[in-house]
Amino acid sequence: GEDVEQSLFLSVREGDSSVINCTYTDSSSTYLYWYKQEPGAGLQLLTYIFSNMDMKQDQRLTVLLNKKDKHLSLRIADTQTGDSAIYFCAERAGGSYIPTFGRGTSLIVHP
Amino acid sequence: ETGVTQSPTHLIKTRGQQVTLRCSSQSGHNTVSWYQQALGQGPQFIFQYYREEENGRGNFPPRFSGLQFPNYSSELNVNALELDDSALYLCASSLEGDTEAFFGQGTRLTVV
Repeated sequence: GEDVEQSLFLSVREGDSSVINCTYTDSSSTYLYWYKQEPGAGLQLLTYIFSNMDMKQDQRLTVLLNKKDKHLSLRIADTQTGDSAIYFCAERAGGSYIPTFGRGTSLIVHP
Repeated sequence: ETGVTQSPTHLIKTRGQQVTLRCSSQSGHNTVSWYQQALGQGPQFIFQYYREEENGRGNFPPRFSGLQFPNYSSELNVNALELDDSALYLCASSLEGDTEAFFGQGTRLTVV
């Protein structure tokens, strides 16, 4: 079955880079997503990457995909206190409408 | 703000009762998905509706049911509530074939 694994916590100092990692098991995954959830809120799509790409950059966010190892990472440059939230990795196979989410990584940014 | 609104924001129900949660999709979106997010977990897919028809279902019992209306708004109904149904219920709308889904802020359901 499908499984998406993430580490549960990450603590960084303001201004440093954050790297959140994710592994998945479904080799047919076509779309891989990163969502952000702030306390009491729904999920906000940050970025996504197609499985035929290995990198995508969007302002402070860089997504790296290692398809061979089924490893996805999200790098946030110059992390700010407003980046404190839970970050979810999700994958979806092509032709499927059912995304599978990880348990989320709680990012804590301290001064 | 995504344009997806859910109501109510919070709800407390007693075990055995029934509940209806509502979702208004983003304008122009014809697809609605519902998710259950238990505390400390990622969202779990419940089902999806496309043009008023159920278009896929996750591993949830039949007491979880839904509707989509001609204006593409949607309801999630849960019968015979159990304590484990306590969770944040999220609705997401999208346009068929699009990779991006927009989430509402969720309804926090507590079953006592």
